[in-house]
Amino acid sequence: ETGVTQTPRHLVMGMTNKKSLKCEQHLGHNAMYWYKQSAKKPLELMFVYSLEERVENNSVPSRFSPECPNSSHLFLHLHTLQPEDSALYLCASSPGELVQPQHFGDGTRLSIL
Amino acid sequence: EDKVVQSPLSLVVHEGDTVTLNCSYEVTNFRSLLWYKQEKKAPTFLFMLTSSGIEKKSGRLSSILDKKELSSILNITATQTGDSAIYLCAVQGAQKLVFGQGTRLTINP
Repeated sequence: ETGVTQTPRHLVMGMTNKKSLKCEQHLGHNAMYWYKQSAKKPLELMFVYSLEERVENNSVPSRFSPECPNSSHLFLHLHTLQPEDSALYLCASSPGELVQPQHFGDGTRLSIL
Repeated sequence: EDKVVQSPLSLVVHEGDTVTLNCSYEVTNFRSLLWYKQEKKAPTFLFMLTSSGIEKKSGRLSSILDKKELSSILNITATQTGDSAIYLCAVQGAQKLVFGQGTRLTINP
C-alpha cells in the first residue's frame, strides 16, 4: 500500500469513447503527477500539479485533459484516443513539486481498440 | 536534453548471485538520484541519493552515487526470486524527475 490509489485498474475503450482516470493520495502531499509507461520506453511525465495549479504540461496532446480539484485528487479525462495511447498510466505524489521521493499508484492499464 | 541511461537493460542470474545495476545521467542542476523497484504494480521507492548522502544501504540492497562520474550503482547481494523486477533509476534536475528505461532483473531458482 503506497498511499496512492488509482481507479480503474484496467480500462478498455474505443477511439470515440470518453472516460476518466482517477487518482487519490492519502499522504498529505502537495504535488501530484501523471506519467505514461509504454513497453520498452522510460516513464514519460505528462502533467504536474502543485497545490492544485498545473505547473507542467509536457507537450501532451489535447485528447488528454487533467483536472486537480484539490491536493488529494487528480483526474485524467480521455477522449478520442488513438491506439498508440494504449499504455500503463501512473499517478504519483510527492511532498512538493521538486521534493522527492515520489510515491506511485498501481496504475491504470489502458487499451484502445 | 536531460537523459538517464541504465545498463544492462536485462539481466538473468541464479538465486544467491550478487548483481550490480548501473545508472548514468546527464541532467541540468542535479538535485538527487532515486532508485525504484517495479514488479507488476506501482514502482516502489528504494533509495534517494544526494550530494550529502552518496551511499545508502538496506538489508541486501545498497547504492552509491558517484557525482564525479555522473553515475550510480545498485547492488543486490544473495539474490532471491522475490528480487525479480524492473529496477528504475530516476534523476531530479532543475525542473523534473527524469527516468531511465529500467533494468529487468530475473532471478532463477
